[in-house]
Amino acid sequence: AQTVTQSQPEMSVQEAETVTLSCTYDTSESDYYLFWYKQPPSRQMILVIRQEAYKQQNATENRFSVNFQKAAKSFSLKISDSQLGDAAMYFCTYSGAGSYQLTFGKGTKLSVIP
Amino acid sequence: NAGVTQTPKFQVLKTGQSMTLQCAQDMNHEYMSWYRQDPGMGLRLIHYSVGAGITDQGEVPNGYNVSRSTTEDFPLRLLSAAPSQTSVYFCASSFTGTGAEKLFFGSGTQLSVL
Repeated sequence: AQTVTQSQPEMSVQEAETVTLSCTYDTSESDYYLFWYKQPPSRQMILVIRQEAYKQQNATENRFSVNFQKAAKSFSLKISDSQLGDAAMYFCTYSGAGSYQLTFGKGTKLSVIP
Repeated sequence: NAGVTQTPKFQVLKTGQSMTLQCAQDMNHEYMSWYRQDPGMGLRLIHYSVGAGITDQGEVPNGYNVSRSTTEDFPLRLLSAAPSQTSVYFCASSFTGTGAEKLFFGSGTQLSVL
């Protein structure tokens, strides 16, 4: 079974600064996808970024980027120029290529300090 | 654009009572799923469906029933509620459910079982 570990239950960052959220995963599959979902206080789940395991290039979406280290099974999220609206719970998520089941990490609560 | 609609948003039950959480999507998605979110546990898959008439169990299916009679609707039934089922429940859908796809989430149902 796949597991996803987020070792930082809580983190904080100063507004306009950069923060990195950590995620490691364990799998025996070679083809899979990794995601970061954001859950603000509104409770709505929002996709932040997605990475295909077969792609060596790290995904980026505006201020959000990932550091994908396939051999180390590491998938960290970097948020640049942090904004107050980035305050949320962030979930690292794994999905096998042919799987119908996602595995979520336990989440990291990010606070942004004005 | 309704997306994924969950009702109710909040519910309080007494132990032993039954209820149905409703989920509807208007995006013609074949894949629908139910997750529960508990503090410090991330999201865990309860049941999922890859099309009308097809359902399967996820990680934590005990105590829950589902059916899928139409593409649009995927209700989750609690036959005899227990305090351990106190949680926030999310319905999510995607076109096919395979690993690469983004999940579209409803806004959640907060359920308390006394």
